[in-house]
Amino acid sequence: GAVVSQHPSWVICKSGTSVKIECRSLDFQATTMFWYRQFPKQSLMLMATSNEGSKATYEQGVEKDKFLINHASLTLSTLTVTSAHPEDSSFYICSEAGATDTQYFGPGTRLTVL
Amino acid sequence: AQKVTQAQTEISVVEKEDVTLDCVYETRDTTYYLFWYKQPPSGELVFLIRRNSFDEQNEISGRYSWNFQKSTSSFNFTITASQVVDSAVYFCALSTIIQGAQKLVFGQGTRLTINP
Repeated sequence: GAVVSQHPSWVICKSGTSVKIECRSLDFQATTMFWYRQFPKQSLMLMATSNEGSKATYEQGVEKDKFLINHASLTLSTLTVTSAHPEDSSFYICSEAGATDTQYFGPGTRLTVL
Repeated sequence: AQKVTQAQTEISVVEKEDVTLDCVYETRDTTYYLFWYKQPPSGELVFLIRRNSFDEQNEISGRYSWNFQKSTSSFNFTITASQVVDSAVYFCALSTIIQGAQKLVFGQGTRLTINP
């Protein structure tokens, strides 16, 4: 399957700061990437679909201005959590859609906002 | 509406026992895909299997097997002779087209603990 990396794997920041998370496709040119968040002991919730060269499509209830997504190249999508607050603390996971409609996931980024 | 239900929140068995994880789905689509993913404590989701709606053949991969039954909208996962390394959260997911875009709908997950 596809190989996806995420950076950083974990980050701790102060409330009010912005955090950028990178998602890279290492062996596949992904025109579409997905961003999920997962709270402890819960399932994954799709936040947005990231399309290369165009605006991301956000799920209902996800603030576009707070969670900025950029997909400037076929191998890189970034998620920026702006003005982070403690309630944004979560596990953020990206995935890419392979040729067979299978999504391959990155290792995730654990964000803790103090 | 698209929905995936994993009724078993947690399962705990002793090593070498067989264990089955249930997955029931709802969809009005005639073409769809079903998946199982494993999430070990490290957090990364590991792809296990993909099955399309037209292929009801059961699949076996080593100690893992999957039983897909459209008549009951179920896609169950069995681990034979479980091992401690199988301890993880397992997610069943349904891939479908929602408003023109492909999306994965996840079940709530089943936390499997294999005790030595």
